[in-house]
Amino acid sequence: GAVVSQHPSWVICKSGTSVKIECRSLDFQATTMFWYRQFPKQSLMLMATSNEGSKATYEQGVEKDKFLINHASLTLSTLTVTSAHPEDSSFYICSARGDLRGYEQYFGPGTRLTVT
Amino acid sequence: GIQVEQSPPDLILQEGANSTLRCNFSDSVNNLQWFHQNPWGQLINLFYIPSGTKQNGRLSATTVATERYSLLYISSSQTTDSGVYFCAVDRDGNKLVFGAGTILRVKS
Repeated sequence: GAVVSQHPSWVICKSGTSVKIECRSLDFQATTMFWYRQFPKQSLMLMATSNEGSKATYEQGVEKDKFLINHASLTLSTLTVTSAHPEDSSFYICSARGDLRGYEQYFGPGTRLTVT
Repeated sequence: GIQVEQSPPDLILQEGANSTLRCNFSDSVNNLQWFHQNPWGQLINLFYIPSGTKQNGRLSATTVATERYSLLYISSSQTTDSGVYFCAVDRDGNKLVFGAGTILRVKS
């Protein structure tokens, strides 16, 4: 149990275009979903937290107009990188937390974004 | 905010050896998780252990919440254990803070 999927697993886009990444909890209801970013050889940094049906809470320094997060259902959250630039190239990972086991988070496999 | 320190930063083991990874944190927590990040980037949940001791096969973990540290034990290491091990803590249920990780390489 507690499986989280992400789609796509990797994407290449041109500078100035937008990219949408989906995060789904497959076998549980995710009351809260989280989006992280990981640069090469670095740790994970939380970008934003989203609760189903409400606006996302962004971490300091993360542009909410650039990284649009929607958590429309208890099993789906999306991250849209708008007007992507090469510096947005990174590994984006989502996680989900439900009523399974307290505060434990379950992570998706990640999406590798390359902006050319 | 809460600080998380992991040690050692790098570790090279011969297959079959045992190891201990440490995670220190600066404040009380209500969530502590250990993860293994495989070469493809997937974070694999190893333990959810805000306190106490747990074992899963060759791996075990102990968290001493009052002293603000956690230990991950790997016994009889295998080459498939290679990767990055992260400790992450959460103080109030809203933000999981990751340590810098321990890079483990197991040689055959």
